[in-house]
This record gives sequence, structure tokens and C-alpha cells, in this order.
Amino acid sequence: KAGVTQTPRYLIKTRGQQVTLSCSPISGHRSVSWYQQTPGQGLQFLFEYFSETQRNKGNFPGRFSGRQFSNSRSEMNVSTLELGDSALYLCASSQASGGWNTGELFFGEGSRLTVL
Amino acid sequence: AQSVAQPEDQVNVAEGNPLTVKCTYSVSGNPYLFWYVQYPNRGLQFLLKYITGDNLVKGSYGFEAEFNKSQTSFHLKKPSALVSDSALYFCAVMDKLSFGAGTTVTVRA
Repeated sequence: KAGVTQTPRYLIKTRGQQVTLSCSPISGHRSVSWYQQTPGQGLQFLFEYFSETQRNKGNFPGRFSGRQFSNSRSEMNVSTLELGDSALYLCASSQASGGWNTGELFFGEGSRLTVL
Repeated sequence: AQSVAQPEDQVNVAEGNPLTVKCTYSVSGNPYLFWYVQYPNRGLQFLLKYITGDNLVKGSYGFEAEFNKSQTSFHLKKPSALVSDSALYFCAVMDKLSFGAGTTVTVRA
């Protein structure tokens, strides 16, 4: 069974630009959640989607948004990029909403964004 | 809100020695607790979880964790560490899967 796939793996943007990251979950998984990982802040929850609906949202500004398609693939978008947005963005999928009820999350290898 | 804390940024041990990575939690109700490991430039991998039942949970790669309700702890342990166990370890709790800050484990040969 294929794992969680994130694209692109690496990208470089400049301040003010916008970026879209993609995540394809494990087949059959309907929940996709996104996390931002930075050395200073650790792993921060962005949002979670289940069956095309946002179920939970972390404490990030409105510049961070996401969506989920009918095939469970998800995208996240960051507009008006700032230097502080440089991070590893991780996507995780699970069968149930939240995944954290009883089951674990399956993570992709991440998209490393550098903002210059 | 539920949260976890990992009091140690780094843990250094010699290969063959016991490894312990500490985690304490703050939850209302029954906690669902997880441990994940991250190798360099990779995503996180699930190690083990505690939902209910035995306080000693066994997981992948020879790791185990002990749930202690009175001390609100869920420490990760391995009896004999390997150099390949060197990685970043995260404790996590239900409720948006809140993660601890992570503990970098270095096992020296």
C-alpha cells in the first residue's frame, strides 16, 4: 500500500509570494491533517480535513488555508509568504477523523519550504 | 485543552545502555497517548500508543512505554539502545494530536 505522498519535497519562494503544497493520503484514509515543523516552535498543528470538511484548526493566521478534494487529496496554501514561514510542512492521514481517537497518524516526508 | 511536555531537549546514551525519553501529560478524562519518531529529513513514524488496558505498552523497534496515571507520565523506554535509535522523538496526546517539543536522542557507539 502506498504511503502518504507530499509534493513538492523542496521549494524556494520569496517574501510576498504564495505557495501551494499537495498531499495524497493513504488509499482509504479520509482524514488529512497538516503540521508545521520548525526548530524553534517544534511541531504545530495547522488544520485537519475529513470528507472535504475542515474539522479542526490550529492557531495560525488566515494566510494559511487548505482544502480537501473528493478523492481525499488535500492542498494547503500560504499566501503573502513571510520569512518565518520557512519550515517543514508535514501532512498526515488516518482512517477516522482526527486519527487520534484510537488510531495513529501516517505521515508523509514533508515539503520543505524556504522563504527568501 | 490537552497537552504534553517533554522536559529534556536532548538525551545522550551509550550503545547498549538503557534509553528513557520522558513525557508528562495534562488531560481531562482518559488520555490517549502516542509516541512518534522522526529520522533526519523524514516524516514522523508511529512507535506505540496507550488507549486503555495494561500500563506497559510495547511498540516498534523494541521500544516500550509505561503509562503512570499518578505521575501523569508516559515515558518511552528501550532496554538496550542502538546507534540507529538516534533520532527525534515526539510524545503526543489526543485533541488535535498535540505534540511535545521533541527530544533529540543521540546514541554513541
